[in-house]
Amino acid sequence: QVQLQESGPGLVKPSETLSLTCTVSGGSISSYYWSWIRQPAGKGLEWIGRIYTSGSTNYNPSLKSRVTMSVDTSKNQFSLKLSSVTAADTAVYYCARDKVTLWFGEFKGYGMDVWGQGTTVTVSS
Amino acid sequence: QSALTQPPSASGSPGQSVTISCTGTSSDVGGYNYVSWYQQHPGKAPKLMIYEVSKRPSGVPDRFSGSKSGNTASLTVSGLQAEDEADYYCSSYAGSNTSFGGGTKLTVL
Repeated sequence: QVQLQESGPGLVKPSETLSLTCTVSGGSISSYYWSWIRQPAGKGLEWIGRIYTSGSTNYNPSLKSRVTMSVDTSKNQFSLKLSSVTAADTAVYYCARDKVTLWFGEFKGYGMDVWGQGTTVTVSS
Repeated sequence: QSALTQPPSASGSPGQSVTISCTGTSSDVGGYNYVSWYQQHPGKAPKLMIYEVSKRPSGVPDRFSGSKSGNTASLTVSGLQAEDEADYYCSSYAGSNTSFGGGTKLTVL
């Protein structure tokens, strides 16, 4: 079955850029949407954004100015970059397969059915 | 502040039923039938329990059910079991945007 694994630095300095990669195994990355979600310690989930294998993206409006997502279908990977980080960006970051279809311009969301185990990113000098 | 409002806690005894609410607006929960629910045990990744308001993925027990009325979606857990103790999050797809509720900690007494 499809499995996801997040990877990247666990410590990022304030004002720098957080970079994470999610590797998809056990299946193809193609023809799906893929999302990033984060969760500060003891708090709830926050959707960061999603990317389709064509490279099309949707971002959370509250983070849009700092987020960039990309996809590398040859490596079965997709990535997240979050710029100008502060301590408020400290969280567990998850990647997930997002069962979204785009039907005549309408997004139909059927849930995030496969999740990575999560990776902790701390923003500190 | 989360876009969707959930009660911070809920509880019930083994065998009982408990319902968790998720309140949004006509622009998200009320406007689309794309509400999902996730279960998260401590230290684990969330697990999809309900999608499209009331549909269960394969492998999710039929003790879990979902519904929606107006701007409020609900998750009901029937026949509570000890392993149901977890955090539960609702999520709504509204156009190209997705938002989560603040989460509800379900305690099995």
